[in-house]
Amino acid sequence: GAVVSQHPSRVICKSGTSVKIECRSLDFQATTMFWYRQFPKQSLMLMATSNEGSKATYEQGVEKDKFLINHASLTLSTLTVTSAHPEDSSFYICSARGSGGIRSPLHFGNGTRLTVT
Amino acid sequence: QKEVEQNSGPLSVPEGAIASLNCTYSDRGSQSFFWYRQYSGKSPELIMFIYSNGDKEDGRFTAQLNKASQYVSLLIRDSQPSDSATYLCAVNRDDKIIFGKGTRLHILP
Repeated sequence: GAVVSQHPSRVICKSGTSVKIECRSLDFQATTMFWYRQFPKQSLMLMATSNEGSKATYEQGVEKDKFLINHASLTLSTLTVTSAHPEDSSFYICSARGSGGIRSPLHFGNGTRLTVT
Repeated sequence: QKEVEQNSGPLSVPEGAIASLNCTYSDRGSQSFFWYRQYSGKSPELIMFIYSNGDKEDGRFTAQLNKASQYVSLLIRDSQPSDSATYLCAVNRDDKIIFGKGTRLHILP
């Protein structure tokens, strides 16, 4: 159980374009999903908390107008990187909690490798 | 002080030996503690979680928690080459989970 699917796994885009990443919980309902970003040899940095039916909560330093998050249903959250630049190239990973509340571990999608040229 | 601190390594351990990975955290209010394994280029996968002081064993893995010392560790017995990866310690902060930078473990054949 607690399978999280993320798509696409890899994307290359030109500077200035926008990229949408989808995150789905396949066998459970996720009222909350979390988006992380990981640069090479760095830790996972929490970008934002995606809440179904309400606005996302962004971590300090993360531009909400650049990283648009939509959580329209209990099984789908999307992250759109708008006007992407080379410095946005990174590994983006979504995650969701299984059943059991806030003490439960996170289950991760397979991640999206974004390269902006 | 960083919220979750780990020695980045690399930690080299002979095959068959015990690998010991350590982590300290700063928030005394943390209640949930997790160990994830991450292979290069892949997303993290959950190894173990622990909520109470003491030891928790699952197969070759043992998690140890000492809340008074704000310390959590992971022991891997009978280390295998396939255990070579980066191990991430994670701790809850309110409803979020914060990760350490990870320790690179290298099992020597």
